[in-house]
Amino acid sequence: EIVMTQSPATLSVSPGESATLSCRAGQSVSTDLAWYQQKPGQAPRLLIYGAFTRATGIPARFRGSGSGTEFTLTISSLQSEDFAVYYCQQYHNWWTFGQGTKVEVK
Amino acid sequence: EVQLVESGGAVVQPGGSLRLSCAASGFSFDDYAMHWVRQAPGKGLEWVSLISWDGGSTYYADSVQGRFTISRDNSKNSLYLQMDSLRADDTALYFCAKEIAAAGLDYWGQGTLVTVSS
Repeated sequence: EIVMTQSPATLSVSPGESATLSCRAGQSVSTDLAWYQQKPGQAPRLLIYGAFTRATGIPARFRGSGSGTEFTLTISSLQSEDFAVYYCQQYHNWWTFGQGTKVEVK
Repeated sequence: EVQLVESGGAVVQPGGSLRLSCAASGFSFDDYAMHWVRQAPGKGLEWVSLISWDGGSTYYADSVQGRFTISRDNSKNSLYLQMDSLRADDTALYFCAKEIAAAGLDYWGQGTLVTVSS
């Protein structure tokens, strides 16, 4: 099983600022990586797949980057609706999720 | 509009069984692989199982291997998860999700709650 480690666990950001979330894979997953956003009481929403391809309807302020074992999700100019928990997921070898990063209001 | 609606969640005793269902609509169900993902209360997401578009291939997380069985009925646009030998740590909200061509899960249901408790 490929272990996915996200950092930090919690990120405090002011609205309008940028947020940078990290995800590290225990072994190379190439670009077989997705990012999801989950708000309380809601199902996860796919943001990014293939490490950097935005899913349908996802605003351009969400940007994914990286390959191999190191990945980043950057959210530019945070809006109120962006405060949520974010998960990375690899699908290179089975499917595993990271433990999540909570983006909260500073 | 794509819709996934899970059902079948309940309170069950340890060692018991439960069958979850997921009714799909708004897309060509038999064109896509489908997944089950769970989330224990207050915890993160855990991938549970995957079934190919035709049901010919199935995969499971180690934590449920040998106890859970995923299946689908393409004639009914439905996905299932048979859960046997349930344990307390199987308590979670169970989501069904549609795979976007081996590249992520693009549609999710709202989940059905399974509670394993005596």
